[in-house]
Parts: sequence; structure tokens; C-alpha cells
Amino acid sequence: GAVVSQHPSRVICKSGTSVKIECRSLDFQATTMFWYRQFPKQSLMLMATSNEGSKATYEQGVEKDKFLINHASLTLSTLTVTSAHPEDSSFYICSARRAGREQYFGPGTRLTVT
Amino acid sequence: GESVGLHLPTLSVQEGDNSIINCAYSNSASDYFIWYKQESGKGPQFIIDIRSNMDKRQGQRVTVLLNKTVKHLSLQIAATQPGDSAVYFCAENAGTYKYIFGTGTRLKVLA
Repeated sequence: GAVVSQHPSRVICKSGTSVKIECRSLDFQATTMFWYRQFPKQSLMLMATSNEGSKATYEQGVEKDKFLINHASLTLSTLTVTSAHPEDSSFYICSARRAGREQYFGPGTRLTVT
Repeated sequence: GESVGLHLPTLSVQEGDNSIINCAYSNSASDYFIWYKQESGKGPQFIIDIRSNMDKRQGQRVTVLLNKTVKHLSLQIAATQPGDSAVYFCAENAGTYKYIFGTGTRLKVLA
């Protein structure tokens, strides 16, 4: 149990367009989901905490108007990168909290902005 | 031996030997720690966790040691196998639900 999926696994978009990434908890309900960003050869950096039914909490330095997060149900959170630019190219990873403090991670989404 | 690359330190270990991966954490209030394995192009995979009321925890072929005095965490992998080659991250948690990840160590298993 505790499987988290992400879709798409890879996406290439043109500069200036927006792209949506989905994060789903497949076999459990997640009241909290997290979005991370990872640049090559670097660690995971928390971008925001997504709570079902309420506004996301963004980490310092993360633009909330650029990275729109919606957590409309207990099994789905979406991250929309708006007006993407090449510097937004990265590996985006979500995680979901089932109970307690354990987080279960998705497989990641590779975003390339051309 | 260990070497420090541009971003990730690398630990090279002979197949069959034991590996020790170290992590220094930052927050003295952290009371929950987790080790993750990340293969290229994939999400982090849970290995083992430990709470601050323990100083050692063992899993299958892995052991985590926690030294709260010096804020140090280590992951020991016994009889390292080629499939253990990956990047290993420690994460700390201080009572909220947020994880703070360490910088990571690349483990290379030499045949």
C-alpha cells in the first residue's frame, strides 16, 4: 500500500506556456501533499505544502502565482507551472502524507522548457 | 573512498563490503529521521527511519545510527550489492509535517 503516482512522467513545453502536473495517492487518502523540486545532482527542495480544501503553504522564495497548487480531493493535488521558462526546467516530485509523519513519494515529473 | 563532486559527495565501495553513509542534520529540535534511496530519474524510495528516542535501528541489511549530541545520522549497508548504487538522502523532521533533506551522497558499488 501507500502508492503515489505522478502524471506526466516527462513533459516538454515551450517557453511562455503553462503545464500541469498531477499527483495522486492511489490506495490511501492524503490530507497533506508536498511538492518538491530537484535540480541535477542536488537535493530535494520543498516548494509547498498542499492541504486538501485549503490554500497551499509556500516555502520562502517560491512564487505562489507561478506555481499554482490545487488540492481538490483527498487523493489528488496538482501543480501548475505558469508561463514556464527554461529556468523552470527541473524534476518535480510530490509526496503524500497518510498518517503520522510518514511521507510517500511519487516517481517524479521531468519538466523541460524549451 | 570519499570524494566531493560539484554537488554530491561520492562514496565508492567494493561489492560485498559494508557501506557507511553519513549525514549531519541541522535542527536540534528534529525528532524523526528518514533515509531515502534515489535512483536516476526516479522518486525517493524509503529505506529506514528512526525516532529520536532511539540511537540505533536495524532493517534488512541496513542499520541507522543516530547521535543527537553531534546531530549526526549514518546509514550502514551490509554486503553492498550493485543494486545499491544510487543517491542516498537523509531527511529530518521536527514535529511539523515538513521534511528537510540533506545534500545527498552518491554510492557507487565497484564490481
